[in-house]
Amino acid sequence: GNSVTQMEGPVTLSEEAFLTINCTYTATGYPSLFWYVQYPGEGLQLLLKATKADDKGSNKGFEATYRKETTSFHLEKGSVQVSDSAVYFCALKVLNTGNQFYFGTGTSLTVIP
Amino acid sequence: KAGVTQTPRYLIKTRGQQVTLSCSPISGHRSVSWYQQTPGQGLQFLFEYFSETQRNKGNFPGRFSGRQFSNSRSEMNVSTLELGDSALYLCASSLGSTSNTEAFFGQGTRLTVV
Repeated sequence: GNSVTQMEGPVTLSEEAFLTINCTYTATGYPSLFWYVQYPGEGLQLLLKATKADDKGSNKGFEATYRKETTSFHLEKGSVQVSDSAVYFCALKVLNTGNQFYFGTGTSLTVIP
Repeated sequence: KAGVTQTPRYLIKTRGQQVTLSCSPISGHRSVSWYQQTPGQGLQFLFEYFSETQRNKGNFPGRFSGRQFSNSRSEMNVSTLELGDSALYLCASSLGSTSNTEAFFGQGTRLTVV
């Protein structure tokens, strides 16, 4: 089936540290990959996406590369800030399944000054 | 441009009651999807409506239903509420229906069943 496996949290980092959140997927058809972020009390906001193999999505200093050979879409940021504290979700959409997203379990990130 | 609007933001209901949640998508978006978010199960897909037709349905009992109106606004209904239905219900709006299309989420409706 279609599913996303995401690194368990919570993750606590000091400001300016390097961040990696691992995400791997299985898909029955052609996948598109997304990272969403959820701040406390809010809905999900799109952080970045990649829709074909070797595409790199980037936004606000975050990056993720769609690696078909390893079925991965790991999220990275070189220097985190306190304002990056949130829950991060890796998500998958599969061709011909409409707008259904398959979400990972979410990774809670706390950045301390 | 206004975002996705969900009403109400908070609801408290008693077991056995029914509830209706509302979602107004971004203007011009024809697809509306609903998700249930709980600490134990995470984000689970309920259903998607596109141009007033249900296109896809997740693995939820028939107590969960929805509809979409001609202006793309959508409602979801849960009948005979159970304690386990307590969750954050998120609505997502999309412009198209291709797999590379992102969704825009509302802030959610927090439902508490007591």
